[in-house]
Amino acid sequence: NAGVTQTPKFQVLKTGQSMTLQCAQDMNHNSMYWYRQDPGMGLRLIYYSASEGTTDKGEVPNGYNVSRLNKREFSLRLESAAPSQTSVYFCASSLFRGPATNEKLFFGSGTQLSVL
Amino acid sequence: RKEVEQDPGPFNVPEGATVAFNCTYSNSASQSFFWYRQDCRKEPKLLMSVYSSGNEDGRFTAQLNRASQYISLLIRDSKLSDSATYLCVVRQGSQGNLIFGKGTKLSVKP
Repeated sequence: NAGVTQTPKFQVLKTGQSMTLQCAQDMNHNSMYWYRQDPGMGLRLIYYSASEGTTDKGEVPNGYNVSRLNKREFSLRLESAAPSQTSVYFCASSLFRGPATNEKLFFGSGTQLSVL
Repeated sequence: RKEVEQDPGPFNVPEGATVAFNCTYSNSASQSFFWYRQDCRKEPKLLMSVYSSGNEDGRFTAQLNRASQYISLLIRDSKLSDSATYLCVVRQGSQGNLIFGKGTKLSVKP
């Protein structure tokens, strides 16, 4: 059981280039998320998809777009990369989403992105 | 005030020591609470949920004080393998957003 798979693991971009981070989960989870993690900062939510067909902004959505392609896949796109987007990106999934739930998040192994 | 604040660490302790991490949260309407563990250059993984009555899992004990908006994690008989960063996580809001603390780094030495 692969869990949450995200690609690529490493990427170097030049300012202004675009790229898409791919994420897939095989646990039949309804909710998927994209986080970024910067040194000295907690994980911050970029976008999430509570269910197939829906996406919503998180805490730091500017400069990103997402697509919930189907129940399994949730991609994150940087249209015009900036040095401020240098970070480690984590995709995650959970069975469902909502208040007062103890549902755990399953994370992918992360993407180290550097924008020069 | 940050939404979720943790002891910054690092905590450097010898094997066998007992170590406690603290976490405070600012939103009194927060609904669920967790401790995640993150190894260096790895993804976070759920360590344990935190319940109002307190809960224990082996050497790990988590407690929640809603009145003080305070969460704690106690690790007894520390092992070298406990070395990691421990993230305090709070679920809040109508959408159930998870808010992560910056983490507390633990280093257990022989």
